[in-house]
Amino acid sequence: DTGVSQDPRHKITKRGQNVTFRCDPISEHNRLYWYRQTLGQGPEFLTYFQNEAQLEKSRLLSDRFSAERPKGSFSTLEIQRTEQGDSAMYLCASSRLGTGAYEQYFGPGTRLTVT
Amino acid sequence: AQRVTQPEKLLSVFKGAPVELKCNYSYSGSPELFWYVQYSRQRLQLLLRHISRESIKGFTADLNKGETSFHLKKPFAQEEDSAMYYCALSGRGTNAGKSTFGDGTTLTVKP
Repeated sequence: DTGVSQDPRHKITKRGQNVTFRCDPISEHNRLYWYRQTLGQGPEFLTYFQNEAQLEKSRLLSDRFSAERPKGSFSTLEIQRTEQGDSAMYLCASSRLGTGAYEQYFGPGTRLTVT
Repeated sequence: AQRVTQPEKLLSVFKGAPVELKCNYSYSGSPELFWYVQYSRQRLQLLLRHISRESIKGFTADLNKGETSFHLKKPFAQEEDSAMYYCALSGRGTNAGKSTFGDGTTLTVKP
């Protein structure tokens, strides 16, 4: 296991198109987090899962955003009808439960550009 | 509302000089505080966590609840410390790991 992986690393799409990103966490990690990072800012929390359950979804996420973790392993983040304001780096992180939840391991991110 | 503020976007010091990266936070409750680091072309990684009271790569950070600050310090900066540093806070219990980040400070250590 080489850590958290994300696919694709880069995505260029036209406004109005749908995109889907995938995150594969470290295999024994129960928690999985999605963050968004725009230029010059720190990561912003979007949503997180404990196993397959989505525990919370940020108010930042409009109805165009949806995330799943169907079997408690990998997760997908889908953005429908993309807008230019969606252009950002989308980061995934994973961690164990309990006190291990504080040690998050981040993936390399997926950079989305909406033209 | 929880918030993390890093007042310096850029910080430049000479090798061997002390360095302090500032972090202030607001949170209703008792948060966990962290410093993350991102080296050039690498992913974000945890540097240290306040509760562990460790010194990692010569860095330490003290939580000052009265001033709601968690400044990162190193007595003698090295060129390999050049990176982006993010301060972050997390709730506890169910909210453990759900983090709020500052906007980061880019540290440059000059030879």
